[in-house]
Amino acid sequence: DTEVTQTPKHLVMGMTNKKSLKCEQHMGHRAMYWYKQKAKKPPELMFVYSYEKLSINESVPSRFSPECPNSSLLNLHLHALQPEDSALYLCASSHEGRTALNIGYTFGSGTRLTVV
Amino acid sequence: TQLLEQSPQFLSIQEGENLTVYCNSSSVFSSLQWYRQEPGEGPVLLVTVVTGGEVKKLKRLTFQFGDARKDSSLHITAAQTGDTGLYLCAGPNTGGFKTIFGAGTRLFVKA
Repeated sequence: DTEVTQTPKHLVMGMTNKKSLKCEQHMGHRAMYWYKQKAKKPPELMFVYSYEKLSINESVPSRFSPECPNSSLLNLHLHALQPEDSALYLCASSHEGRTALNIGYTFGSGTRLTVV
Repeated sequence: TQLLEQSPQFLSIQEGENLTVYCNSSSVFSSLQWYRQEPGEGPVLLVTVVTGGEVKKLKRLTFQFGDARKDSSLHITAAQTGDTGLYLCAGPNTGGFKTIFGAGTRLFVKA
């Protein structure tokens, strides 16, 4: 299995809602990432998990809460989002370690989030 | 701050034409990756180049890493409509665990 699976594919939520994005991989990768991508822009890093521990938080607002229940799963819990948070949210995974950055990521297809 | 600058930002060509897109930096990178992203999908890794001067071929796509490891190019021969997409170059930052992305080249191949 060489895929990263993200659900749901599309999500519309109100500013008072609580929702979660899910990501799953079975490639044995020990690093997992959340990226946010706005239209016509490159992906922006949000969080990095390494061996199920949060290793990087790119000063993301607390209305985004990541969780890594095990080595195959990554969640992003959403609460009280703003319309400007509407974007494509991408999950990625890679082998761990500095040399892993030389190999590249496997990305999921993303969740298209619209906040109304 | 390490930056990756991609050019051109946008390219519209006819099917069958050749094209080259560029990824440049003033910083040395230990490697560079090229991704292609189609609308509504995640980026797909095409290639990683690691050695200065390296050339890699993937069917009609040729990737080159500059001798000084500060730049890379992607050449597409006889473009097809299926090549349409956003081409991103990316590389690891020095001393960290992050990947830096260029802003991308948006390619549109017309039938």
